[in-house]
Amino acid sequence: ETVLTQSPGTLSLSPGERATLSCRASQSVSSNYLAWYQQKPGQAPRFLIYATSIRATGIPDRFSGSGSGTEFTLTISRLAPEDFAVYYCQQYGSSQWTFGQGTKVEIK
Amino acid sequence: EEQLVDSGGGLVQPGGSLKLSCAASGFTFSTYSMSWVRQAPGKGLEWVSFVSSSGTTIYYADSVRGRFTISRDNAENSLYLQMNSLRPEDTAVYYCARTWRENTFDMWGPGTMVTVSS
Repeated sequence: ETVLTQSPGTLSLSPGERATLSCRASQSVSSNYLAWYQQKPGQAPRFLIYATSIRATGIPDRFSGSGSGTEFTLTISRLAPEDFAVYYCQQYGSSQWTFGQGTKVEIK
Repeated sequence: EEQLVDSGGGLVQPGGSLKLSCAASGFTFSTYSMSWVRQAPGKGLEWVSFVSSSGTTIYYADSVRGRFTISRDNAENSLYLQMNSLRPEDTAVYYCARTWRENTFDMWGPGTMVTVSS
């Protein structure tokens, strides 16, 4: 099973600042199979990015993804008030889907 | 509007059973694979089970294999999760999720809470 480790656990930033979230895999992940989700308290996750860097429909262009192999990054260029939430990376491989433990982006 | 609505959660004793349902609308359900993903209170997301669009390919997480059964009824636009031999560690919000391109979850239901406790 591929384990995804996200860092940092919590990111304290102000609106307008840049957020950089890391997702490290225990073994190489196909770039086609790495996705990101946003979750706010009491809500279901929201699909943000697939295939490492492609934004899902309706996702603002301040969200971007990058990476390859075992290192992947989600960047939010300028944090909007609605972006404060928990973010999860997710990978698929060998008929198994795994998530990272999440990074909380909180208001500083 | 495309929508998933999960239901069937509740309080059950350890060793008991529960069946979750997920009603799909607004899209051609029979052409999409589907999954269940759960989230224990205060914890992260955990994939539970997958079923292909036709129902012929099914996968389970090790933590539930042999106890949970996923199924679907394309005529009824519905997804199910039969949960047997429930344990306290199965306590979680269970989400049905449309599985797009077989590897990502592009639409989620609101979730249904399952509590396993005596």
